[in-house]
Amino acid sequence: AQSVSQHNHHVILSEAASLELGCNYSYGGTVNLFWYVQYPGQHLQLLLKYFSGDPLVKGIKGFEAEFIKSKFSFNLRKPSVQWSDTAEYFCAVNEDSNYQLIWGAGTKLIIKP
Amino acid sequence: EPEVTQTPSHQVTQMGQEVILRCVPISNHLYFYWYRQILGQKVEFLVSFYNNEISEKSEIFDDQFSVERPDGSNFTLKIRSTKLEDSAMYFCASSKDRGMDEQFFGPGTRLTVL
Repeated sequence: AQSVSQHNHHVILSEAASLELGCNYSYGGTVNLFWYVQYPGQHLQLLLKYFSGDPLVKGIKGFEAEFIKSKFSFNLRKPSVQWSDTAEYFCAVNEDSNYQLIWGAGTKLIIKP
Repeated sequence: EPEVTQTPSHQVTQMGQEVILRCVPISNHLYFYWYRQILGQKVEFLVSFYNNEISEKSEIFDDQFSVERPDGSNFTLKIRSTKLEDSAMYFCASSKDRGMDEQFFGPGTRLTVL
């Protein structure tokens, strides 16, 4: 069965630090990859997605992610975090022909001002 | 900006009771979903709905669960006889298309079964 792993459950950084959150998935076929974010008290919202083309995708608020097919990874990065990036970040995957999203466990990111 | 809405935000019920969770998807979306997240666990897919029928469902979505689009705007999840283990946050989502298309999520309904 498909699964998604996010290796860091909690990350604490200072403002201006660089961020990388890991995401690995297990599925050999064509997949669509997503990062969602949930800010405190808000809905889940899409940060970025990959479905084809350039494996380096850029999202909102300065985030980017790189799809490395050989490593089954889709890591999220931001060169310089801000206090407002404090949130929970979820990696999710679906097979191209499917409807359901398979989710990672989420990473709670806390940015110290 | 259009958004998915859910009611109620919090529902408390007794074990064995029926509950209906309501969602209003974004108006021009065609695909509708329910997910749940038990406290401390991953978000789990329950069901997707397209063209007035279930298009995909997970093992969690057993005979106790049903979904309906009773009119042109609402999308409901019914749990016939709630169990303690049904306590979770339930998220509704909608999308224009499936697969690569973004799913837009509602704020969730926290269901507590006593």
